[in-house]
Amino acid sequence: DQQVKQNSPSLSVQEGRISILNCDYTNSMFDYFLWYKKYPAEGPTFLISISSIKDKNEDGRFTVFLNKSAKHLSLHIVPSQPGDSAVYFCAASARNNFNKFYFGSGTKLNVKP
Amino acid sequence: NAGVMQNPRHLVRRRGQEARLRCSPMKGHSHVYWYRQLPEEGLKFMVYLQKENIIDESGMPKERFSAEFPKEGPSILRIQQVVRGDSAAYFCASSPGTGKGWDEQFFGPGTRLTVL
Repeated sequence: DQQVKQNSPSLSVQEGRISILNCDYTNSMFDYFLWYKKYPAEGPTFLISISSIKDKNEDGRFTVFLNKSAKHLSLHIVPSQPGDSAVYFCAASARNNFNKFYFGSGTKLNVKP
Repeated sequence: NAGVMQNPRHLVRRRGQEARLRCSPMKGHSHVYWYRQLPEEGLKFMVYLQKENIIDESGMPKERFSAEFPKEGPSILRIQQVVRGDSAAYFCASSPGTGKGWDEQFFGPGTRLTVL
């Protein structure tokens, strides 16, 4: 049972434009949401997170938006750079089990120069 | 400050053999997590350990899989009598265990297991 879903396996964006990666979840107990970035042959690295008490968190070029009523979050990258090309995973954890992360299947972002 | 280390990076086993995957957490981290990534899928939680204790093994298959994190040495994920379906990338993560709720998990580079 996939509780965190990323329905777009890939996304291609021109350098300098906005990249929008989407994620949906089904478990209303999820309280904390994260985005990880993964390059080939490496482990995922933490990018940005958001608590369910917020609807937006910004860190430089990266902004995560949370819509709790829709059980949807998105990651915006502005402006996109070729070095952003990677697989992006959305993850969530529940308030009664913070350290157990549920991951989506990932979206492969390609930023074209 | 070295990151999370995993070895081997690649492991090839024949069906029925045993696979041992090792994970050394970041310095100062007392919590270790193992995840499995099947082709075209996301990472799936397997087990969460603290030193000498299994905290949550709800993602571990009931048979053939075991994990430990001894007082000294790395965490070990052990798969007995491997089958082709065990072929996957296995990632280890560690966290400092602040006890204040959510902990950032730092991932290792993974071990790619191939079962022939």
